[in-house]
Amino acid sequence: DTGVSQNPRHKITKRGQNVTFRCDPISEHNRLYWYRQTLGQGPEFLTYFQNEAQLEKSRLLSDRFSAERPKGSFSTLEIQRTEQGDSAMYLCASSSSFRASGNTIYFGEGSWLTVV
Amino acid sequence: AQSVTQLGSHVSVSEGALVLLRCNYSSSVPPYLFWYVQYPNQGLQLLLKYTTGATLVKGINGFEAEFKKSETSFHLTKPSAHMSDAAEYFCAVTHLFGGGNKLTFGTGTQLKVEL
Repeated sequence: DTGVSQNPRHKITKRGQNVTFRCDPISEHNRLYWYRQTLGQGPEFLTYFQNEAQLEKSRLLSDRFSAERPKGSFSTLEIQRTEQGDSAMYLCASSSSFRASGNTIYFGEGSWLTVV
Repeated sequence: AQSVTQLGSHVSVSEGALVLLRCNYSSSVPPYLFWYVQYPNQGLQLLLKYTTGATLVKGINGFEAEFKKSETSFHLTKPSAHMSDAAEYFCAVTHLFGGGNKLTFGTGTQLKVEL
């Protein structure tokens, strides 16, 4: 168990540029989540996958955001035409849908995005 | 729908004193409750969780929490604070019935530990 891995850990980009974050979940976990956290706030749910299927998207996920999990393993979160309001930490998490796992969601270290 | 309210965005205690961080939840179905800790510039680490069974749950680093259904509360306690406990703490709720177990978080409580 190597934990949830995210990269890059930090990204500074100019407004209007596209950015992509990658998440590698815990290997046996079939569920993968993306959250966004701004300073002084708790994480907010963006979207989740079960295997390769994207089952739910938050209204926070505008059409500039797209997430994929093509083979049910790693996932990418792309933000197109970044805006200053996109500056936040993007957290990836994973879990198993099997009850024996205890439904625990494990988080990665997060990817900080700063839009200048 | 589910929600979490954490009373007190900042809590300050002396080293060795009792830590009490408050969490109240709202859920239309039986909840699963979690406490996570976040150190600066890091992700979230699970402290403890309640799913079913014993209502007093023990976690890492000497923390524990008690699920009280009648009070819709899941307060986090630690008998004796240590300097290394200074961090931000988040209470979160989810449930088993659909929705992929996605978590709804409170706004967090920043714990400061003073000498």
